[in-house]
Amino acid sequence: QVQLVQSGAEVKKPGASVKVSCKASGYNFKDYYIHWVRQASGPGLEWMGWINPKSGATNYAQKFKGWVTMTRDTSITTAYMEVTNLRSDDTAVYYCAREGPIYTSAFDHWGQGALVTVSS
Amino acid sequence: QSALTQPPSASGSPGQSVTISCTGSSSDVGAYNSVSWYQHHPGKAPKLMISEVSKRPPGVPDRFSGSKSGNTASLTVSGLQAEDEADYYCSSYAGLNNLVFGGGTKLTVL
Repeated sequence: QVQLVQSGAEVKKPGASVKVSCKASGYNFKDYYIHWVRQASGPGLEWMGWINPKSGATNYAQKFKGWVTMTRDTSITTAYMEVTNLRSDDTAVYYCAREGPIYTSAFDHWGQGALVTVSS
Repeated sequence: QSALTQPPSASGSPGQSVTISCTGSSSDVGAYNSVSWYQHHPGKAPKLMISEVSKRPPGVPDRFSGSKSGNTASLTVSGLQAEDEADYYCSSYAGLNNLVFGGGTKLTVL
């Protein structure tokens, strides 16, 4: 079955960086885009961007351009999302999600989420 | 791009129907049939309930249905059950490879 398993919770100081991983299994990793979505304190999901695992091409929401980087390692079917220069309002649960059905902008499978806490 | 507009809360009694709206613009909801709906229980991963405006993924009860008119999409939950109580989010393709979410609606089953 399709699974996306994310790395664990992290605590970082302001100005630091964090890299969250998303290990995919149960399907052909290269065939489906991986998106990243975050939920800060309170309700509300925020789309961050996507990576095409086949080509490595990325697209970021305007807000995250320049300080978020999405990468992948096809040899271990894992996607990564790195946030640099962390601020307190980056404290959030970060989710990876598979876009499926293909080219529908829908996310049919999600990781369990990774809590990133930014605190001095 | 701006977030899609959802009512912050909705409620209904068991067995009743409730409809949650999701209002965007002619650049997102009105322009594309790529509206999705997610159910999110706190502490768990969101679950896809509707894709492409009205398509239910396998395993989603037919009590959940989606529609769209102009710049507004809607999710209707019929025959409300206790387990339907959750946060619901809409999302839409917004052009230029971008996507936007709604602010979320907390559904309470009375």
